[in-house]
Amino acid sequence: GNSVTQMEGPVTLSEEAFLTINCTYTATGYPSLFWYVQYPGEGLQLLLKATKADDKGSNKGFEATYRKETTSFHLEKGSVQVSDSAVYFCAPLGTGGGADGLTFGKGTHLIIQP
Amino acid sequence: NAGVTQTPKFQVLKTGQSMTLQCAQDMNHEYMSWYRQDPGMGLRLIHYSVGAGITDQGEVPNGYNVSRSTTEDFPLRLLSAAPSQTSVYFCASRWTPQSEQYFGPGTRLTVT
Repeated sequence: GNSVTQMEGPVTLSEEAFLTINCTYTATGYPSLFWYVQYPGEGLQLLLKATKADDKGSNKGFEATYRKETTSFHLEKGSVQVSDSAVYFCAPLGTGGGADGLTFGKGTHLIIQP
Repeated sequence: NAGVTQTPKFQVLKTGQSMTLQCAQDMNHEYMSWYRQDPGMGLRLIHYSVGAGITDQGEVPNGYNVSRSTTEDFPLRLLSAAPSQTSVYFCASRWTPQSEQYFGPGTRLTVT
């Protein structure tokens, strides 16, 4: 089945710093790729997605590009805010056409200090 | 729309007890899933359903049962609770395999 590797953290940055969270995956074929975010005490919510190679997903200042050659989907933001503190999950669609849902990485805990 | 709702929010069980975690969605989504979240483990799929009457096992199904009698509801049953089932449980739903997955707020379960 599909699998994901992402940096676990915690990753601690100062406000307005540049953010990169690395994500690489192994998969059969070219699945859709997702980033989800989990704020403290809440469920997960979609941050952005890309459905095919070279697609760039973006939302709330975050971006990630589907890199087929390197099987990567790194998350970036130019200037982070304290409110970005959360856990971020990289997730390719599962095998079998996605009927079984997403394959989640272990999550990266991001802490932004003022 | 309420989205995906889960009850209860918190639960404490003794080893050997049984209980049902409730999940409901009002978006008419065909696909529903149950995950558990443990520290350092990310989210792991327990069971999923692709429509009413159809369920299948995920990565960690042992000790759990599910059924899908209606499109809206997807309850998760713990047959005989064990301390290893202490976790946060999330229910999720989506319209198609490729579409965004909507998560409930979670149920925090402690088994003593």
